[in-house]
Amino acid sequence: AQSVSQHNHHVILSEAASLELGCNYSYGGTVNLFWYVQYPGQHLQLLLKYFSGDPLVKGIKGFEAEFIKSKFSFNLRKPSVQWSDTAEYFCAVNAGGGSNYKLTFGKGTLLTVNP
Amino acid sequence: NAGVTQTPKFRVLKTGQSMTLLCAQDMNHEYMYWYRQDPGMGLRLIHYSVGEGTTAKGEVPDGYNVSRLKKQNFLLGLESAAPSQTSVYFCASRQTSGARNEQFFGPGTRLTVL
Repeated sequence: AQSVSQHNHHVILSEAASLELGCNYSYGGTVNLFWYVQYPGQHLQLLLKYFSGDPLVKGIKGFEAEFIKSKFSFNLRKPSVQWSDTAEYFCAVNAGGGSNYKLTFGKGTLLTVNP
Repeated sequence: NAGVTQTPKFRVLKTGQSMTLLCAQDMNHEYMYWYRQDPGMGLRLIHYSVGEGTTAKGEVPDGYNVSRLKKQNFLLGLESAAPSQTSVYFCASRQTSGARNEQFFGPGTRLTVL
């Protein structure tokens, strides 16, 4: 069964610092990759997604992620964080296509940005 | 276009009580999913549906039942609630075709079982 690991449980940064959140998955075949964000008290929203092509994908609010197939990784980055980026971030994987498009989520990384 | 909605938003139950959570979507999506979110555990799939009249088990189905009698609605039932079912429940939906489509999430239902 596929699994997703997010190595950082809680990351604390100051505004303007650079961000990188790690995500690794365990599946050897074709994968579709997602990063979702959950702001305090809100539902999950899609930040970005990767299906094929350019391994560097850009999402909303200045976020980007790089798919490195050889490392089974899909790390999320932002060059300069803002206080409003305080949220929980989830990496998710849909492995092998299939007809149900189920997602397996990581346990999440809580990002706190101090002003 | 409301997207994915969930009712109720909050609920407190006593152990052994039953309840039904309702998820509705107005995007004509075929696929619908129920997740539970617990601290430090991320989201775990309870049940899902690939179309009206069909349901299937996810990762943590025990203690829950679901029904998809209408395409736009996906109901999650707890027949005999237990404290271990205290959680935040999220519903999601997605379009049928294409792996490129993401899941859209509802606002969640916070359930406490005493």
